[in-house]
Amino acid sequence: GENVEQHPSTLSVQEGDSAVIKCTYSDSASNYFPWYKQELGKGPQLIIDIRSNVGEKKDQRIAVTLNKTAKHFSLHITETQPEDSAVYFCAAWFYNNAGNMLTFGGGTRLMVKP
Amino acid sequence: AAGVIQSPRHLIKEKRETATLKCYPIPRHDTVYWYQQGPGQDPQFLISFYEKMQSDKGSIPDRFSAQQFSDYHSELNMSSLELGDSALYFCASSLAANEQFFGPGTRLTVL
Repeated sequence: GENVEQHPSTLSVQEGDSAVIKCTYSDSASNYFPWYKQELGKGPQLIIDIRSNVGEKKDQRIAVTLNKTAKHFSLHITETQPEDSAVYFCAAWFYNNAGNMLTFGGGTRLMVKP
Repeated sequence: AAGVIQSPRHLIKEKRETATLKCYPIPRHDTVYWYQQGPGQDPQFLISFYEKMQSDKGSIPDRFSAQQFSDYHSELNMSSLELGDSALYFCASSLAANEQFFGPGTRLTVL
């Protein structure tokens, strides 16, 4: 089945620095790649997504890049703030015999130190 | 803006009991998804419904069943609960299989 690998599992940065989280996926047919932020005790919150016909997308301090050939995509957060501290999940839309589903990476715990 | 509503937020059950979790999608969203998230794990897709019909199936145990009703709310029914079923259960909704928006989750504890 689809496999989504996410690195690193934990990331600690100083406030104001940039953070980069990387994911790889196995199914070349995947065409939709969302990123979610999950704070403690809350549901995952969609923060940005990218489709396979686009190589890069930016929304204020957050950007996502996609390399379809290499089957990897990355989340870039610039000028990090303490409130960016959370667990971030990448995901890929996967097609199989049972249908369609979103498969998540293992998550990255981001800690932004003031 | 209205969000996905889940109830109850917390549920404690004994082994072998049954549980029913409810999900109310964002108004006008036609697709509902259920996920299970264990401690320190990523969300695992269980099942989804589109226009009240089962759409896709993931790693949902045979002891679990779900349905979507005419008002688009969905219920996840869990029987013969096991200790390993203790987890966060999330419902997400979307319009026409686009972006999925997650609810706050139900924390199920099986004792």
